[in-house]
Amino acid sequence: QKEVEQNSGPLSVPEGAIASLNCTYSDRGSQSFFWYRQYSGKSPELIMFIYSNGDKEDGRFTAQLNKASQYVSLLIRDSQPSDSATYLCAVNSPTAGNQFYFGTGTSLTVIP
Amino acid sequence: EPEVTQTPSHQVTQMGQEVILRCVPISNHLYFYWYRQILGQKVEFLVSFYNNEISEKSEIFDDQFSVERPDGSNFTLKIRSTKLEDSAMYFCASSTLFRTSDEATGELFFGEGSRLTVL
Repeated sequence: QKEVEQNSGPLSVPEGAIASLNCTYSDRGSQSFFWYRQYSGKSPELIMFIYSNGDKEDGRFTAQLNKASQYVSLLIRDSQPSDSATYLCAVNSPTAGNQFYFGTGTSLTVIP
Repeated sequence: EPEVTQTPSHQVTQMGQEVILRCVPISNHLYFYWYRQILGQKVEFLVSFYNNEISEKSEIFDDQFSVERPDGSNFTLKIRSTKLEDSAMYFCASSTLFRTSDEATGELFFGEGSRLTVL
């Protein structure tokens, strides 16, 4: 069983602060890593993905990947109340039938 | 922008009835998936489909469930003899593989979901 672990939260940060979301995975064969945002009652929406060790920045979002530690994180700078949602970490194993495995999600609340 | 579309958005059914949830994946995608999310719980993988056959299925996907790609565009999930615990949001998703500089990867895109309520 390929496990993806996330702290369920809730994580609360004040508006304008940096929110840090973490994820670990068990399958060393995983090649790509995704962060999805899910608002209550809505479908998951892809924020960004990363497949190389290091940092990848997209606007206020930065994904960080450390394959040796099997760890991926998402930083949200200048957090806004509209960022309040559940953030899902997913890993992809293209060699295993292009499967995507999801964590349980971390609930983030940005306090105005 | 291409998107995954699902119908119906909400279906209410009586226990024991059969339901069919429909999905139109993104047109150039090759991999199709169904996920389920019970209210307040995690997104659970049900089944993946590639090259007109099931490539992987979870423990949840038992004989009660079946998938089909009846034509070149639709991808359906059939739930036979529905139970109360089948009440959930069902998400269809699709993906294609592409190569980065040194690896193959895919992006997974979700439809808006079909909410199933079993009474």
